[in-house]
Amino acid sequence: ETGVTQSPTHLIKTRGQQVTLRCSSQSGHNTVSWYQQALGQGPQFIFQYYREEENGRGNFPPRFSGLQFPNYSSELNVNALELDDSALYLCASSPNRDWNTQYFGPGTRLTVL
Amino acid sequence: GQSLEQPSEVTAVEGAIVQINCTYQTSGFYGLSWYQQHDGGAPTFLSYNALDGLEETGRFSSFLSRSDSYGYLLLQELQMKDSASYFCAVRDHGGAAGNKLTFGGGTRVLVKP
Repeated sequence: ETGVTQSPTHLIKTRGQQVTLRCSSQSGHNTVSWYQQALGQGPQFIFQYYREEENGRGNFPPRFSGLQFPNYSSELNVNALELDDSALYLCASSPNRDWNTQYFGPGTRLTVL
Repeated sequence: GQSLEQPSEVTAVEGAIVQINCTYQTSGFYGLSWYQQHDGGAPTFLSYNALDGLEETGRFSSFLSRSDSYGYLLLQELQMKDSASYFCAVRDHGGAAGNKLTFGGGTRVLVKP
């Protein structure tokens, strides 16, 4: 059984640029959630996708957008990057919109200069 | 809105017992989850309580009191490898935004020899 994978591991961008982060869900999981984790803080929920549709969204501006593909992998896109977007971006998968037991990937460390 | 409160840091010696409290304010509460995160690692699911009472999983136990909006994670027979951050998380219905999952700020547990 393959766990949740994310790419890239690290990324450096400059303010104003756009970034796409990728996530492959664990085998058998059709639900993917994205989180932003600043240093020393808890993960902040961005949004969740279930069967290619958004199933919930946190308090993030529209420049944070996502996609889920038929194979349940997912992308997080962030436009017009700001310095405060520097964080660890975590993807978590679960079966059938299970909010209570989520399996996290290793994350992508984004640095915005 | 949602809010979760947990202590920022706890220090204990090997073999001791540590209790991490979590109080929450949320609407439409469904359940309380606990996650462990080692430095540089991804959060790992530990336990979930939907109903009042104690859930035991090996050395770790989790408790929930819905009437008090309170839960705790109990770490017994502490080992050095238990040094990590521990997060509580609740799910509720976010209205027009759909379901939302909120994590606490985390409790850093430091185990000393």
